[in-house]
Amino acid sequence: NAGVTQTPKFQVLKTGQSMTLQCAQDMNHEYMSWYRQDPGMGLRLIHYSVGAGITDQGEVPNGYNVSRSTTEDFPLRLLSAAPSQTSVYFCASSYQRKTDTQYFGPGTRLTVL
Amino acid sequence: RKEVEQDPGPFNVPEGATVAFNCTYSNSASQSFFWYRQDCRKEPKLLMSVYSSGNEDGRFTAQLNRASQYISLLIRDSKLSDSATYLCVVNVGTGNQFYFGTGTSLTVIP
Repeated sequence: NAGVTQTPKFQVLKTGQSMTLQCAQDMNHEYMSWYRQDPGMGLRLIHYSVGAGITDQGEVPNGYNVSRSTTEDFPLRLLSAAPSQTSVYFCASSYQRKTDTQYFGPGTRLTVL
Repeated sequence: RKEVEQDPGPFNVPEGATVAFNCTYSNSASQSFFWYRQDCRKEPKLLMSVYSSGNEDGRFTAQLNRASQYISLLIRDSKLSDSATYLCVVNVGTGNQFYFGTGTSLTVIP
């Protein structure tokens, strides 16, 4: 199993550009989530999904959209990038929700100029 | 008030030392608790879950105190390879959201 994969690993955007961060898992996990990690802030939940076709907002959803058309994929879209979205983005998945281990992807380092 | 708070450290300890980290959480309805480890510029990985009765995994012991709303992690006989950031994670409310602490940095010195 590849586990959780994320692409790209690094990205530089200009303010106002859009892009999609890709996340895929091959463990047949129901629960997937996106976090951002900023210095001194810890990981903060952006959006999550409890299964295909179901998504919900986390702690910091503004400026981000998600969809979950398949169990495997959970892309994160930035519609109009802003410098405040410069961060490291982690995707995670787990089989169920409350008690299961979350497996993280290697992260995407995004810089918005 | 943050959902989860940790002392950021850094903790610098010699090899073989015992070190303890605490983490407090604000929501009394919190149901699941974890410690994750994150190496520099890497993704977090589960170190251990924290159970109500406390649990141990080798040199690592985790405890939960619901009355005072904190969890702790004790590392005995520290190794150089234990150097990392330790993240406290709490599952809140309906169970769909996990809150992370900012992490506690540990450096084990030869």
